[in-house]
Amino acid sequence: DAGVIQSPRHEVTEMGQEVTLRCKPISGHDYLFWYRQTMMRGLELLIYFNNNVPIDDSGMPEDRFSAKMPNASFSTLKIQPSEPRDSAVYFCASSFRGGSYNSPLHFGNGTRLTVT
Amino acid sequence: GQQVMQIPQYQHVQEGEDFTTYCNSSTTLSNIQWYKQRPGGHPVFLIQLVKSGEVKKQKRLTFQFGEAKKNSSLHITATQTTDVGTYFCAGAHTNAGKSTFGDGTTLTVKP
Repeated sequence: DAGVIQSPRHEVTEMGQEVTLRCKPISGHDYLFWYRQTMMRGLELLIYFNNNVPIDDSGMPEDRFSAKMPNASFSTLKIQPSEPRDSAVYFCASSFRGGSYNSPLHFGNGTRLTVT
Repeated sequence: GQQVMQIPQYQHVQEGEDFTTYCNSSTTLSNIQWYKQRPGGHPVFLIQLVKSGEVKKQKRLTFQFGEAKKNSSLHITATQTTDVGTYFCAGAHTNAGKSTFGDGTTLTVKP
């Protein structure tokens, strides 16, 4: 299994530009999570999906952020317009919930976003 | 919102010394997970604890879940340089949905 695949690994963009981050979860996993990691705020959950349906987006910072999951094998996180304070590492993670307890999260390698 | 507090934030030890990080929640947790993130890497799942008072071991690592299911600890015996990284706990307050991550404890080991 290739694990969770994120692209790009690094993204440098100018303030005001649109940024799209991509994620391919592990095949068969039914939950997908987007996290943001910064030194100041740690690991923040932005949004998560169950069977491609957004369940909780309360962590999305503001309307500039949007996430979609058009099918079980692909998700995007979009920032439009981007701002310097959005600079962070963005992780995608997936899990399979088959049982009654939370199951482990499998993280991708992350996308390091720098907005200048 | 529901929070999971983790201490200490940083720990510097000499190789061979022991290390412990603690995780606390003000409300009862359904379960708790521990992850390790190496510098420049991504969080990697270590273990999950579900039962009150549960203790699990992985070689030199010992994980405990408190009797009240509100706290947990990770103890490393005789640290090695390969143990460096940030250790996160992630607590779930229900049996479904999301877990809340602690702020992590960053461990450095001096050879």
